[in-house]
Amino acid sequence: DTAVSQTPKYLVTQMGNDKSIKCEQNLGHDTMYWYKQDSKKFLKIMFSYNNKELIINETVPNRFSPKSPDKAHLNLHINSLELGDSAVYFCASSPRDREETQYFGPGTRLLVL
Amino acid sequence: GQNIDQPTEMTATEGAIVQINCTYQTSGFNGLFWYQQHAGEAPTFLSYNVLDGLEEKGRFSSFLSRSKGYSYLLLKELQMKDSASYLCAVSLWGSQGNLIFGKGTKLSVKP
Repeated sequence: DTAVSQTPKYLVTQMGNDKSIKCEQNLGHDTMYWYKQDSKKFLKIMFSYNNKELIINETVPNRFSPKSPDKAHLNLHINSLELGDSAVYFCASSPRDREETQYFGPGTRLLVL
Repeated sequence: GQNIDQPTEMTATEGAIVQINCTYQTSGFNGLFWYQQHAGEAPTFLSYNVLDGLEEKGRFSSFLSRSKGYSYLLLKELQMKDSASYLCAVSLWGSQGNLIFGKGTKLSVKP
């Protein structure tokens, strides 16, 4: 029933590890996004992706890579985790004709120790 | 560069009216959004303005002046459940889906 879902909800890991966060939307939307919200609650876009184009925020380190096995999924893979990666990561999606109206997932709280 | 400013915190009383302002300096402005985010939860869409003027939706209204780079969110008949962060965001021409968010205004509604 959940429109945009993410797993896991919480992720605690050590520096240097590689981890993935999964996102699925059942709204039939064409575009999906990943956002990072830091400890100061500042929400910044990392990637947007549809079946034609991946747009990367140039400030995102290449340790972060989105992977989309199909239109309903956009997973986020992170290599060599660093302390500064600790944040809440939100997945979102939007319909083709209203890209601006985005529906957010519940967030994944990542803590790197 | 892109810059979006909004107050960090505001406090208001239950039943009152509160106005949250947002100013922006961007190139290629397309539209302005307001999102609500309760603590520990995901942002949820409130409103979207692309033309100048006021958009009303129940107790919430949003105003845009493109020439002034200014918007506000007006909340009427405040309820305790309105305590949340309110995020102003802009979209740019050519990348409408890529929203640029302000740092949010944390609103506390007191009895």
